Amino acid sequence: ETGVTQTPRHLVMGMTNKKSLKCEQHLGHNAMYWYKQSAKKPLELMFVYSLEERVENNSVPSRFSPECPNSSHLFLHLHTLQPEDSALYLCASSLGTGGGYTFGSGTRLTVV
Amino acid sequence: SQQGEEDPQALSIQEGENATMNCSYKTSINNLQWYRQNSGRGLVHLILIRSNEREKHSGRLRVTLDTSKKSSSLLITASRAADTASYFCAMGDTGFQKLVFGTGTRLLVSP
Repeated sequence: ETGVTQTPRHLVMGMTNKKSLKCEQHLGHNAMYWYKQSAKKPLELMFVYSLEERVENNSVPSRFSPECPNSSHLFLHLHTLQPEDSALYLCASSLGTGGGYTFGSGTRLTVV
Repeated sequence: SQQGEEDPQALSIQEGENATMNCSYKTSINNLQWYRQNSGRGLVHLILIRSNEREKHSGRLRVTLDTSKKSSSLLITASRAADTASYFCAMGDTGFQKLVFGTGTRLLVSP
């Protein structure tokens, strides 16, 4: 257990479904991140939140919708996904001032 | 924009041997970090080296940074089977921390 908890660990969804990924940290960190990890590609930064405000959105399609209700929780809402969105989605948190990230174990998403 | 590339892509060694992985990046950095990822899991932070540092040690890990060449290396000494994992470098920019990850090196340590 790293201090960053992601649920669910595995998710299979159809292209017309709506689902949400959840991330929770109680490390006192003030920045949270969503990364996407696909086979044979580097980790892709999707969204960055600092003190609950979104500070980065790396041209992510609108079918991915992040939400950060407070500094401890981060969600990624998914709707009408495509098969190429199948990947490992990783949440991380940090102090936002130049230190290391703490990652969750990830959610393995399969879109069918 | 920042990009990171690691070399080699894959490395296979015997227990007790040393493993060296290299990372090259494109633009100036505030710090460079190394992470380990076991298969299908989250990444674990190993070590951070700042742009004004040249070498750093942590246990069996030794990291070097050459900002003039925009490169870094990670050395794992006396490797163990438990070191089998993928290793990623990550570049941190100035200002608000936002990491860009390299492509990774898959390390296999055989007993």
